[in-house]
Amino acid sequence: NAGVTQTPKFQVLKTGQSMTLQCAQDMNHNSMYWYRQDPGMGLRLIYYSASEGTTDKGEVPNGYNVSRLNKREFSLRLESAAPSQTSVYFCASRGQGANGYTFGSGTRLTVV
Amino acid sequence: DAKTTQPPSMDCAEGRAANLPCNHSTISGNEYVYWYRQIHSQGPQYIIHGLKNNETNEMASLIITEDRKSSTLILPHATLRDTAVYYCIVRGGNDYKLSFGAGTTVTVRA
Repeated sequence: NAGVTQTPKFQVLKTGQSMTLQCAQDMNHNSMYWYRQDPGMGLRLIYYSASEGTTDKGEVPNGYNVSRLNKREFSLRLESAAPSQTSVYFCASRGQGANGYTFGSGTRLTVV
Repeated sequence: DAKTTQPPSMDCAEGRAANLPCNHSTISGNEYVYWYRQIHSQGPQYIIHGLKNNETNEMASLIITEDRKSSTLILPHATLRDTAVYYCIVRGGNDYKLSFGAGTTVTVRA
């Protein structure tokens, strides 16, 4: 099915460990986004990529890095995980002129 | 982005229309009103958007006041599967970002 695929779906990390969250879309969308959602809260933008080769900071970029590997893939890296980064991470994409954003099903990350 | 204000929660009877209000009094001329919903633990789902005119699709209707300072999302025949958090978002046409507030938690009861 067409859409946004996120891997992994669940992850537990120890404080200080690093990991990369993967996101891929097969809709030929130009822009891609990473959001985090803490319990009972709305989504907050971490980073976004308006087009292949560009990335920009969102509301809460500290502690994260991103890579727009190609048009399909946009990865989020935690270099040194902290308990404050325990959250659900959503990737989204949007095409030129498209009405809405398409979201993935999320990665549930716990940092202990 | 203009700030939006939504009630934190509302209940609706199954089969009845659900009317979800949203205030966006500081909206500017090139900003659209978007509605998304998030069913428990899933990624947000696009519902509908509009600029000035009322809009309707297979999921819902969007009514925007003439001064564009508020809008209402209408789910014409709510079902139990419509239980979700509904987000009203204002976004400029050239703005890449969506800013999510706390939304309205809608509970549809049998």
